[in-house]
Amino acid sequence: DQQVKQNSPSLSVQEGRISILNCDYTNSMFDYFLWYKKYPAEGPTFLISISSIKDKNEDGRFTVFLNKSAKHLSLHIVPSQPGDSAVYFCAAFNAGNMLTFGGGTRLMVKP
Amino acid sequence: DGGITQSPKYLFRKEGQNVTLSCEQNLNHDAMYWYRQDPGQGLRLIYYSQIVNDFQKGDIAEGYSVSREKKESFPLTVTSAQKNPTAFYLCASSSWVVRGYGYTFGSGTRLTVV
Repeated sequence: DQQVKQNSPSLSVQEGRISILNCDYTNSMFDYFLWYKKYPAEGPTFLISISSIKDKNEDGRFTVFLNKSAKHLSLHIVPSQPGDSAVYFCAAFNAGNMLTFGGGTRLMVKP
Repeated sequence: DGGITQSPKYLFRKEGQNVTLSCEQNLNHDAMYWYRQDPGQGLRLIYYSQIVNDFQKGDIAEGYSVSREKKESFPLTVTSAQKNPTAFYLCASSSWVVRGYGYTFGSGTRLTVV
């Protein structure tokens, strides 16, 4: 039972355009959502998070949107840069402090 | 400079041998985790520990063992019972108090069975 799903395994975007990565979840008890970025042969690094009481959080080029009624999370990267090419994981916390990860989306930003 | 250290970065094991992957953190985090990543796949939870001297099985614990004798250390042993151990292994830690940053991950160990 996948509680956090990233339905697009890959996404290709032109440099300078917007990248939109999507994530759906099923557990309404999740109270915190995060995005991680991962390069090959490295550990994931934290990118941005959002509490379930908010619907938007912005940090520089990265914005996360949360639609609780649709149980949908998205990450917007504007403008996209070649260095953003990586695998992005969305993740959600339950009250027990355990993170549930999505399967990841590989973003390729073409120069 | 606080962080989480995994060693070695690359490890080769002969079939039938046990091997131990090291994970050390100096972040004063209470919880620690082990994940496995296969090519093109997501992160699968092997074991986790919320406090010292206690740990729980994750989704794919068979063929693995752990210990948590110190807060800073959470070594993972890949035993000969693990049928397909070649993978990229990630250790992580987290604080009960600060949830906004989620888990802090190490840089990983790539294990190859030869």
